[in-house]
Amino acid sequence: DIQMTQSPSTLSTSVGDRVTFTCRASQSIGSWLAWYQQKPGKAPKLLIYKASSLESGVPSRFSGSGSGTEFTLTISSLQPDDFATYYCQQYNSFPYSFGQGTKVEIK
Amino acid sequence: EVQLLESGGGLVQPGGSLRLSCAASGFTFSSYALTWVRQSPGKGLEWVSGISDGGGNTYYADSVKGRFAISRDNSKNTLYLQMNSLRAEDTAVYYCAKYRTLFGGGQRDYMDVWGKGTTVTVSS
Repeated sequence: DIQMTQSPSTLSTSVGDRVTFTCRASQSIGSWLAWYQQKPGKAPKLLIYKASSLESGVPSRFSGSGSGTEFTLTISSLQPDDFATYYCQQYNSFPYSFGQGTKVEIK
Repeated sequence: EVQLLESGGGLVQPGGSLRLSCAASGFTFSSYALTWVRQSPGKGLEWVSGISDGGGNTYYADSVKGRFAISRDNSKNTLYLQMNSLRAEDTAVYYCAKYRTLFGGGQRDYMDVWGKGTTVTVSS
């Protein structure tokens, strides 16, 4: 099974900052990676699919990159609505798996 | 509007059973693969199970294989998760979600629409 590891676990940052976090797969997954945003008590929301494709309606300040085993999610200028937890998920092969999440907090 | 609505959660004793349902609307249900994802209190997301659009292919996480069974009734636009031999570690919010690709079977596909979740608590 493929293990996904995200870093850091928590990121303390400020509005307007550029933030980047990382997701690593235990084996190559090509570009079969999605990023989700989750706020407390809510369902996850799709942000990015196929490593770098922006979901319709998602602000362009979000971008994804990477392939193989290393991936990044970047928020170019953090907005108040972006404080949340972000999960990567591989869908290269079953069983699909998520990273443990990166929580973005207000500094 | 595409909607997914989970139901069937509740309190159950260890070793017990529960069946979750997910009612879908706003899309051609029989054309899309579906999945269950759970989240234990204060923890991250865990992919649990998936089923192809026709229902002929099913997939499970190792943690639930042999205890949980996913199924669907395309005539009722409803997805199910039969959970048997429940353990304390199965306590979680269970989400159903739809895969993006028409007739994709769930293979190399991602979840684009999620329900709000239903809570399962396994405790004596």
